[in-house]
Amino acid sequence: AQKVTQAQTEISVVEKEDVTLDCVYETRDTTYYLFWYKQPPSGELVFLIRRNSFDEQNEISGRYSWNFQKSTSSFNFTITASQVVDSAVYFCALPTGYSSASKIIFGSGTRLSIRP
Amino acid sequence: DAGVTQSPTHLIKTRGQHVTLRCSPISGHKSVSWYQQVLGQGPQFIFQYYEKEERGRGNFPDRFSARQFPNYSSELNVNALLLGDSALYLCASSLGRTPYEQYFGPGTRLTVT
Repeated sequence: AQKVTQAQTEISVVEKEDVTLDCVYETRDTTYYLFWYKQPPSGELVFLIRRNSFDEQNEISGRYSWNFQKSTSSFNFTITASQVVDSAVYFCALPTGYSSASKIIFGSGTRLSIRP
Repeated sequence: DAGVTQSPTHLIKTRGQHVTLRCSPISGHKSVSWYQQVLGQGPQFIFQYYEKEERGRGNFPDRFSARQFPNYSSELNVNALLLGDSALYLCASSLGRTPYEQYFGPGTRLTVT
């Protein structure tokens, strides 16, 4: 099965706290990619990161970091020193179907609220 | 460069009516995919078109149809609208068939009353 699970429906933290969004995936592919998207209230999906299954190194981009662990099928996203502007819904996603229909399977999303 | 554009931004329809949503991909992109995002859920795949042919279809009824034009723009049509069709409809374009890099448009918010 191809599936993405984001068990945290909503998270609320106070500004400047660190917060981690969990993502667990299932795939039958031996090589694959994983994405994270941000969806602010405006509705547009903003692409944050793409990782491939070859590379398990953690990645850091400013206040954002990603922890990819193939052994536990997890691709977690951490925001350090959160800011109010980080408030949004975040989706973890698994692109699939390279030989047939190509589509992205999204998790159900985690709504993150940063309180001032 | 212009990103993916969608029109209209919002629309309100009545049950039983028909609706057409439009999408223009990024210049040079030949693949367009459509997703439906119901409130509180992640986007769900509806269709992929590549080089003007349907390459994949998600688990949606035949009331949903789409097509891609020679300029690679696309239309999504929904007939006999139901209240449950109320959602944000997202269009994504990519250069090729694979989903490695799909760029999403701002979406069309459809409300069915």
